Amino acid sequence: SQELEQSPQSLIVQEGKNLTINCTSSKTLYGLYWYKQKYGEGLIFLMMLQKGGEEKSHEKITAKLDEKKQQSSLHITASQPSHAGIYLCGADGAAGNKLTFGGGTRVLVKP
Amino acid sequence: DTEVTQTPKHLVMGMTNKKSLKCEQHMGHRAMYWYKQKAKKPPELMFVYSYEKLSINESVPSRFSPECPNSSLLNLHLHALQPEDSALYLCASSQDETDSYEQYFGPGTRLTVT
Repeated sequence: SQELEQSPQSLIVQEGKNLTINCTSSKTLYGLYWYKQKYGEGLIFLMMLQKGGEEKSHEKITAKLDEKKQQSSLHITASQPSHAGIYLCGADGAAGNKLTFGGGTRVLVKP
Repeated sequence: DTEVTQTPKHLVMGMTNKKSLKCEQHMGHRAMYWYKQKAKKPPELMFVYSYEKLSINESVPSRFSPECPNSSLLNLHLHALQPEDSALYLCASSQDETDSYEQYFGPGTRLTVT
């Protein structure tokens, strides 16, 4: 089965600083998804990446997909307290829309 | 409307009880999913329904019984659960199951089994 490894597991950043989260897959990536989750709540869809080299942005969040390295990165510019939460990457299997998630990265933004 | 709703928000049940979790979406999505999430762990897929038919059962114990009465509704019937089944149960939907589509998640039901 596909395994996704996220790094770091957690990070604390000062408000206004940038941060990067990485997600590495053990198998070929067909679709890579980024979600954000507040504690005990549902997942909020951020972005989906499908093609190698694809890069998408939403507000101050940018995600890239490196198909050859089977890796994606999520970058937040000028972090705000509203960016705090758990960021999860998820990936499709070859058989379609069956998501496997990485372990998550817990982000805390200090004012 | 990109909302998936789940009820109840919290549920406490004894090991001999029978209860149901409900999930609803009105986005016209034809695939619906149940995930289980333990504390500090990522969600794990339990079931997938595609066009109202059970498509995937990830070897879930029979004390969990899913049901899809129509394309907008997804239920999870619970019976004789164990304390280790306590978790956040998340419902999601997507346009289709066969290709890469974003899944929209509900807020979850936090289940405690006593």
